[in-house]
Amino acid sequence: EIVLTQSPGTLSLSPGERATLSCRASQSVSSRYLAWYQQKPGQAPRLLIYGASSRATGIPDRFSGSGSGTDFTLTISRLEPEDFAVYYCQQYGTSPTWTFGQGTKVEIK
Amino acid sequence: EVQLVESGGGLVQPGGSLRLSCAASGFTFSDYWMHWVRQAPGKGLVWVSRIYGDGSSTGYADSVKGRFTISRDNAKNTLYLQVSSLRAEDTAVYYCARGKLSFDSWGQGTLVTVSS
Repeated sequence: EIVLTQSPGTLSLSPGERATLSCRASQSVSSRYLAWYQQKPGQAPRLLIYGASSRATGIPDRFSGSGSGTDFTLTISRLEPEDFAVYYCQQYGTSPTWTFGQGTKVEIK
Repeated sequence: EVQLVESGGGLVQPGGSLRLSCAASGFTFSDYWMHWVRQAPGKGLVWVSRIYGDGSSTGYADSVKGRFTISRDNAKNTLYLQVSSLRAEDTAVYYCARGKLSFDSWGQGTLVTVSS
């Protein structure tokens, strides 16, 4: 089973700053199978990025995804107040199964 | 507009059972794989189960295999999760979600609390 490890656990930044979130897989993952989600307190997760780099419907272009193999990155170019949340990466694997990373919290500095 | 609305959660004793439901609208339900994903209080997301659009195939996380059963009624546009032999560690918000490689729509979740 592929394990996804996200870093850092918490990212403390100010509005307007750039956020770079990492997701590392224990084995190579096809880019087609890597997604990112945003979750705010008391809300359901929301799909941000699928296929490692494609933005989901309605997602602002300040969100971008990149990476391949075992290393993937979610970048928020300029943090807006509504972007402070927890972010999860997720991969689709064999069997099939779906695995999430443990999450990165982006908090206001 | 795609909508997924879960119901059926509640407080149940260890060893007990519940049936969770997810009512879908705004899309052709039978065209989509559907899933249950859970989140324990203060913890991360964990995939639980999936079912093909026609209901012909199901899959489960090892932690729930043999205790949980996923099903769907495409005539009623409803997804179900029968949860049995519940343990304290099954306490979580249970979300239904739509998709195959990734999950593009989620319900608001229903809370299952397992406690005596």
